[in-house]
Amino acid sequence: KAGVTQTPRYLIKTRGQQVTLSCSPISGHRSVSWYQQTPGQGLQFLFEYFSETQRNKGNFPGRFSGRQFSNSRSEMNVSTLELGDSALYLCASSLTSGPQETQYFGPGTRLLVL
Amino acid sequence: AQSVTQLGSHVSVSEGALVLLRCNYSSSVPPYLFWYVQYPNQGLQLLLKYTSAATLVKGINGFEAEFKKSETSFHLTKPSAHMSDAAEYFCAVRINQAGTALIFGKGTTLSVSS
Repeated sequence: KAGVTQTPRYLIKTRGQQVTLSCSPISGHRSVSWYQQTPGQGLQFLFEYFSETQRNKGNFPGRFSGRQFSNSRSEMNVSTLELGDSALYLCASSLTSGPQETQYFGPGTRLLVL
Repeated sequence: AQSVTQLGSHVSVSEGALVLLRCNYSSSVPPYLFWYVQYPNQGLQLLLKYTSAATLVKGINGFEAEFKKSETSFHLTKPSAHMSDAAEYFCAVRINQAGTALIFGKGTTLSVSS
């Protein structure tokens, strides 16, 4: 079974632009979460979706948004990019939304904002 | 609110030595705890998880962790380190019981010398 796939893998943008990252979960998985990883702040939770509904949201500004489609694929969007948004963005999927479920992570999208 | 503290950002051991990576948690509800490993330029891979079934949890690659409620700890151990264990290790706790989102510790980088 294919793992979590994220596209693109690498991205370079300039300040003020917007960016959309895509995540395809493992086949059959209905829950998708997004995380931001930076050297300074570590791994921080962005948001979680289950069956197209946002279940949890982290402490990020409104410039960060996400959505999930009926086929469970998910996108996250960052508008008005800032230098501090440079990070590795990780997507994780799980079969359902139960707290015992394991999250399986994709390889990430590395975003560089210049 | 849930939180995780990993004691020691860097741990160095010799090949064949005991590996001990420390994790303490804070949770207002019975916790679900996880250990993940991250190799350079890759996503996170689950090592093991605690979901209240057994306090001693065995994972992949010879790792295990013991849940100690009285000490609010979930330390990761491996009896004999291998060069391939060199990586960054993250302890995580579920944000709440309503989903799969995780709060991660800052991570511990494990170095293994020959």
